[in-house]
Amino acid sequence: SQTIHQWPATLVQPVGSPLSLECTVEGTSNPNLYWYRQAAGRGLQLLFYSVGIGQISSEVPQNLSASRPQDRQFILSSKKLLLSDSGFYLCAWRRRGGYTEAFFGQGTRLTVV
Amino acid sequence: AQSVTQLDSQVPVFEEAPVELRCNYSSSVSVYLFWYVQYPNQGLQLLLKYLSGSTLVKGINGFEAEFNKSQTSFHLRKPSVHISDTAEYFCAVSDQGQGAQKLVFGQGTRLTINP
Repeated sequence: SQTIHQWPATLVQPVGSPLSLECTVEGTSNPNLYWYRQAAGRGLQLLFYSVGIGQISSEVPQNLSASRPQDRQFILSSKKLLLSDSGFYLCAWRRRGGYTEAFFGQGTRLTVV
Repeated sequence: AQSVTQLDSQVPVFEEAPVELRCNYSSSVSVYLFWYVQYPNQGLQLLLKYLSGSTLVKGINGFEAEFNKSQTSFHLRKPSVHISDTAEYFCAVSDQGQGAQKLVFGQGTRLTINP
């Protein structure tokens, strides 16, 4: 069966520090991969999605970037964190084609202090 | 581009009462529609989905939703809620076709069940 791993679960980082959140999927090939951010009272905001290795689509101009170095690995990064980057980050995958639901990781709670 | 509007940010309901959570979407093409539930500090779990066929879709935990193309709506309903249904609920839309890569969510509705 397919599983998605996202880590760390909780992270506290100072302003100006770098960020790297990692997400991996098991049990499937060529998935579509997604990063969402959930801020209090603002729902789920799609940040990035990827349909293949090295292919990244950015939805919102921001302080973050994403990379997909391997088929089932998706990384969210920042060179210098801002206070506004705090939130709950969720990774998700879908089967290629987009006609199915997304499966979510357990999320990372990021607090920038 | 597709978008989703959840009309109620919070819905308080008494236990065993019926509930409806509203969702409207916007898209220039045919869509797939989803409802998810999120419990505190957890990821999202799929409740139900509409891909094609019957417009009345049944999901887990006694929830159902009806796709109404003319009103561009996909409202979620449950005839009798339980305390355990207290959670945040998200409606999501994805365009059909080869460009159907994006999955866009609404702002969420916080359902609170009171005893």
